[in-house]
Amino acid sequence: RKEVEQDPGPFNVPEGATVAFNCTYSNSASQSFFWYRQDCRKEPKLLMSVYSSGNEDGRFTAQLNRASQYISLLIRDSKLSDSATYLCVALNAGNMLTFGGGTRLMVKP
Amino acid sequence: GEEVAQTPKHLVRGEGQKAKLYCAPIKGHSYVFWYQQVLKNEFKFLISFQNENVFDETGMPKERFSAKCLPNSPCSLEIQATKLEDSAVYFCASSRNRGRGSSYNEQFFGPGTRLTVL
Repeated sequence: RKEVEQDPGPFNVPEGATVAFNCTYSNSASQSFFWYRQDCRKEPKLLMSVYSSGNEDGRFTAQLNRASQYISLLIRDSKLSDSATYLCVALNAGNMLTFGGGTRLMVKP
Repeated sequence: GEEVAQTPKHLVRGEGQKAKLYCAPIKGHSYVFWYQQVLKNEFKFLISFQNENVFDETGMPKERFSAKCLPNSPCSLEIQATKLEDSAVYFCASSRNRGRGSSYNEQFFGPGTRLTVL
């Protein structure tokens, strides 16, 4: 079993839709969590950090549930430019990032 | 610099040949990380450095892979006697420091080096 698990998708949604991604992690010692975005095999870019209290950045909302070891990302009012692979990432001891397999999102006109 | 720089962008090697990849972290960042991304988005941590010292090398294949971060030089990742399964994109990342706040441990990634072993 992978340490960080994601549904690979793809999620095909129309513009303007709301879409939610989920992620589970197995290492209870993981310290911090992030959502990264990766376009077409380019470098991953940090989308947002994830906090237990939940955090929102524009159309994006991330939530962490430590008791369930579950992380979510909600994208509202999807844009064509949101099409990408979204990586759920845990920061472990030693500052090492552990990546999920990624969830592919395709937003269509 | 303001971005992580990686060279070369693409590298093609025949099986058994040596491959050497370079990474210049963001100026002022103390930590450097190497990750390998193979097909289907599988990222694997290889090694990390704190300045020129190896910090964590638990992901490094011991036999053929080596890495260095020397003062005043780009960091390097070297693969001796490449194999077909080494074909991947190798990403370097750097972070400012290691602290409790996420702003300290945010890792910024370079554009990667795509290694193809034929």
